[in-house]
Amino acid sequence: KAGVTQTPRYLIKTRGQQVTLSCSPISGHRSVSWYQQTPGQGLQFLFEYFSETQRNKGNFPGRFSGRQFSNSRSEMNVSTLELGDSALYLCASSGGTGYQETQYFGPGTRLLVL
Amino acid sequence: AQSVTQLGSHVSVSEGALVLLRCNYSSSVPPYLFWYVQYPNQGLQLLLKYTTGATLVKGINGFEAEFKKSETSFHLTKPSAHMSDAAEYFCAVTFSGGYNKLIFGAGTRLAVHP
Repeated sequence: KAGVTQTPRYLIKTRGQQVTLSCSPISGHRSVSWYQQTPGQGLQFLFEYFSETQRNKGNFPGRFSGRQFSNSRSEMNVSTLELGDSALYLCASSGGTGYQETQYFGPGTRLLVL
Repeated sequence: AQSVTQLGSHVSVSEGALVLLRCNYSSSVPPYLFWYVQYPNQGLQLLLKYTTGATLVKGINGFEAEFKKSETSFHLTKPSAHMSDAAEYFCAVTFSGGYNKLIFGAGTRLAVHP
């Protein structure tokens, strides 16, 4: 089975712009979660989508949004980019509905905001 | 609130020596615990997880961890370090009702010297 894929792998944007990141989960997985990784704040949960519905949300401003499509692919959007949004954005997918399901991570999208 | 503390942001060992990476958690409900490894410019790879049952959990690449409820700990060990073990290691927790929201520790960077 192919793993979790994320596109693009690298992005450079300027302040004020918006960006959309894409995540394709492992085939058959219905849950997709997004995380932000920065040197200062570490790994932080953004949100999780399950069957096209946001099931859980972290403590991020409304500039961060996401959605999931019927094929379980997910997109994350950040509007009005700030310098502090520079980070590695990781997507993870999991199968099943249990809370202890293993999450499989993609390679991430590295976003640099100038 | 749930949280994870990893003692030691950097750990250095000699090749062949014991690896011990410490993780303590705080949770008011039974936790599900995970250890992930991250190699440079890559996503996270699951090493092992504890959900229920046996408290000593064996993972990939010779790693194991023991869940100690009385000490609220989930330390990661490997009897003999290999150069290829050099990476960053993250302890994470989730819990029933948390769906797939993982709360991560700050990470421990493991260096292995010849």
